[in-house]
This record gives sequence, structure tokens and C-alpha cells, in this order.
Amino acid sequence: AQSVTQLGSHVSVSEGALVLLRCNYSSSVPPYLFWYVQYPNQGLQLLLKYTSAATLVKGINGFEAEFKKSETSFHLTKPSAHMSDAAEYFCAVSDGRGSTLGRLYFGRGTQLTVWP
Amino acid sequence: NAGVMQNPRHLVRRRGQEARLRCSPMKGHSHVYWYRQLPEEGLKFMVYLQKENIIDESGMPKERFSAEFPKEGPSILRIQQVVRGDSAAYFCASSQTGGASSYEQYFGPGTRLTVT
Repeated sequence: AQSVTQLGSHVSVSEGALVLLRCNYSSSVPPYLFWYVQYPNQGLQLLLKYTSAATLVKGINGFEAEFKKSETSFHLTKPSAHMSDAAEYFCAVSDGRGSTLGRLYFGRGTQLTVWP
Repeated sequence: NAGVMQNPRHLVRRRGQEARLRCSPMKGHSHVYWYRQLPEEGLKFMVYLQKENIIDESGMPKERFSAEFPKEGPSILRIQQVVRGDSAAYFCASSQTGGASSYEQYFGPGTRLTVT
């Protein structure tokens, strides 16, 4: 089975500072990896996805993530935080094969706070 | 293009009542997924459906929960004889193919179920 670990349930940064949200996964096959953002009382919005093409993936709102197979990681970064980035971020994995085709496995989420 | 629609957004039920949650996928999407989000936790997969077919229901509780996606109309997640532990946010997602060519799932705003 696939699983996702997000290190740090809460991350706080100052506006303009680097954002780094950590995600490690376990998968028995090459994974498909995703980052989603959730604003209060809303659904999840896809930020970016890795599906075995380029290991550095660029997403919306200036976010990017790098797939590192040797570290089984898919950390999310943004060079300069904005107040509007304050939200909860979820990392998810899908192996997309066999009986689990279509199922996403989510981490527990990281709440990002941005201070002025 | 309208996104994934869920209704109601908020639902309050007394213990023992039935809850019906509805999900209309994005236009052109024929694959629907239901996830449950408990407080302080990530989303947990419940069920994956195509029109008139349940593809994967391995995440569904064995009793009281059922899901359908009829040929016409929205997908329905039904919870019979609700208990307090069913209180959660229930999210629906849809995708265009559900196969190897696309794993992008688009999420609705969720239904927040409160059992009193």
C-alpha cells in the first residue's frame, strides 16, 4: 500500500520568506505525486503533479516541487511567501495501477501560516 | 465550465437518521471518487465509481454506507443510521478518464456532516 508522510503539521514563515513543505512517500511502484491546497471551508485545489516526466514540477501560484526517488521525497517550495498562501497543504500519492487505480492516498496535511 | 458540485454544503442529522450527500462531477467527467476528512486528519479514500459501476469500494465502512452513480443524475453517498463518529467533511472528486492517461482529480467544496 502507498502512504504519505508530511513532516510538520504547522509551518510558519514571514511574508517574502522561503516556503518549504516536506513530503515523503512510500510506494512499491513508480508513483504519481500531487500537492493540493485547501482554503478554509473549501475543497482541494490541485497545485501541481508529478507523473514521471520532469523531476522538477512547476505549479500554480509560484509553487514547485522536486521528485527525488533516492530520498522518496516530493517537497513543495515557493521562493517568496505571500499572505494569500496561508492555507492547508496536502501531499498525495497514487500508484495508479491494478485494484487501487484511481485512489489517492493523502498525508495528514501541513497548515501554512504567513506572518506580515 | 462549472466545477464539481456538492450539496448540501452543510448537513445536520440526529443520531439514527439517514444522510444523503450528492455530487455532480465536472462536465465530461465520468469518474467519481468520495473521500472523508476527519478533524486533524487528511482525506481518506472511500469509494471510486463510474457510471452505474462501483470500481473500488475498499475504503467504505462495511455497514451503513453505500454509494451509487446512476446513468442519469448525481452520485449519491448514503449513510444510514448515522452516529456521532460519522461527523466529518465528505469530499467528492471527479476525473476525466480515471485511467493511466490522467490522474487529475478535481474536488468539490465538500459536505460538512454534523451528527447531533
